[in-house]
Amino acid sequence: KNEVEQSPQNLTAQEGEFITINCSYSVGISALHWLQQHPGGGIVSLFMLSSGKKKHGRLIATINIQEKHSSLHITASHPRDSAVYICAARTWSSGSRLTFGEGTQLTVNP
Amino acid sequence: DTEVTQTPKHLVMGMTNKKSLKCEQHMGHRAMYWYKQKAKKPPELMFVYSYEKLSINESVPSRFSPECPNSSLLNLHLHALQPEDSALYLCASSPRGGLYEQYFGPGTRLTVT
Repeated sequence: KNEVEQSPQNLTAQEGEFITINCSYSVGISALHWLQQHPGGGIVSLFMLSSGKKKHGRLIATINIQEKHSSLHITASHPRDSAVYICAARTWSSGSRLTFGEGTQLTVNP
Repeated sequence: DTEVTQTPKHLVMGMTNKKSLKCEQHMGHRAMYWYKQKAKKPPELMFVYSYEKLSINESVPSRFSPECPNSSLLNLHLHALQPEDSALYLCASSPRGGLYEQYFGPGTRLTVT
C-alpha cells in the first residue's frame, strides 16, 4: 500500500460541475501539497497546507489531520482545468523529500 | 521573477553522447531539486542541493552528475545514458529545504536513442 493514495485515478466531468479529488495518507505529515500538471509537463504548485482549508479562485483545498485525508475541490469546472492533479506529502522526518500520490487525470468536457 | 527556467525543452541524445541540462531561478531560493518523471507516473526525486551543497542523492546512477555552480544555477550532466533514462526531467526550487513550497520548471523531455 502506498503511503499516499489518491482517488479517483481518472475523472471526467462536464463544464460547470463541482469536482472533488481525494488524497489519503498513512504517515504523519508536516505538510501536504497539491500540484497541477498540464500535458507537456510543467508542474504548478496549487496549495501547501498543514491544517484547515485554503482557497484560491475556484480551487479549494482542505485537510483533516486526524483522519489523514485531504481533498481538492474545483468549483464551476472549465475545460482549461483538464490536467493531472497530484497530492504530495512531506513528513516530519523526510526533510525535503515529497511522497507523491499517483495522480488524478481530470478531463473537463465543454 | 517567480520562474524556474529549464533548457533545453527537448533533447535527443545517443548512448555515447555527453550533454547537460540547465536549470535557473532568480527567486533567491537556496534549495534546488532534480526530479525524473516517466509517463503517467509521479516525479521521482534524484538530487537535492541546499546552499549549493549536495544534500540528497537518491542512489542515482553515476551517469547522471549534478552540479550547482552558484545559488541560481543547477546543472545535470548526462553521459552514457540508456534508453530507459528517457523521461521528463524536472527542476524545482524552494526558499530553503524542508517545509517550503517547491516551484517547478517546465521540464526537459529527454529521449535517449
